[in-house]
Amino acid sequence: KQEVTQIPAALSVPEGENLVLNCSFTDSAIYNLQWFRQDPGKGLTSLLLIQSSQREQTSGRLNASLDKSSGRSTLYIAASQPGDSATYLCAVLDAGNMLTFGGGTRLMVKP
Amino acid sequence: DAGVTQSPTHLIKTRGQQVTLRCSPKSGHDTVSWYQQALGQGPQFIFQYYEEEERQRGNFPDRFSGHQFPNYSSELNVNALLLGDSALYLCASTWWGFGNQPQHFGDGTRLSIL
Repeated sequence: KQEVTQIPAALSVPEGENLVLNCSFTDSAIYNLQWFRQDPGKGLTSLLLIQSSQREQTSGRLNASLDKSSGRSTLYIAASQPGDSATYLCAVLDAGNMLTFGGGTRLMVKP
Repeated sequence: DAGVTQSPTHLIKTRGQQVTLRCSPKSGHDTVSWYQQALGQGPQFIFQYYEEEERQRGNFPDRFSGHQFPNYSSELNVNALLLGDSALYLCASTWWGFGNQPQHFGDGTRLSIL
């Protein structure tokens, strides 16, 4: 059974810092990995999707890497802003077209 | 291009009641999945529908049932509600035949059980 873990569970940083969020998964037989953002009480917004054959994806200040063999992914956020405050979730897609999520990292960026 | 839409946005029910949640997939999508997200946790997969059939099911009791209509929209039904069913229920849609595509989520239905 796939298990996804995210570390840290919560993170508070001053504005402008570069930061790294970590995601690990137990079964490397995945099709892709997605990073999502969730604002309080809201749905999920897809940030980046990395196919199993890819090593990284970039979008603006966000960069996500994938090491499938070791079961790890990182989300790098450059020059953090207060508007980046949210919960960040990673999820892996398996053969059943089913997403398995981690518990999320709650990020607070202080002005 | 409308994204995934869910209704209602909020619901309050009492223990033992039944509830129906609705989802319209993103235009062009034919596969709908439902997830339950308890407060402070990541979403958990309930089940997935394609061609009006349940294709995958997570570890949820049969109090949770669903349906998909010919227009690809879907319903999630929960019977005999328990306090532990209080959660945000999320619907996601994608294309079945293209596999490995991103899933698009709606804003969810917040269900509170009193």
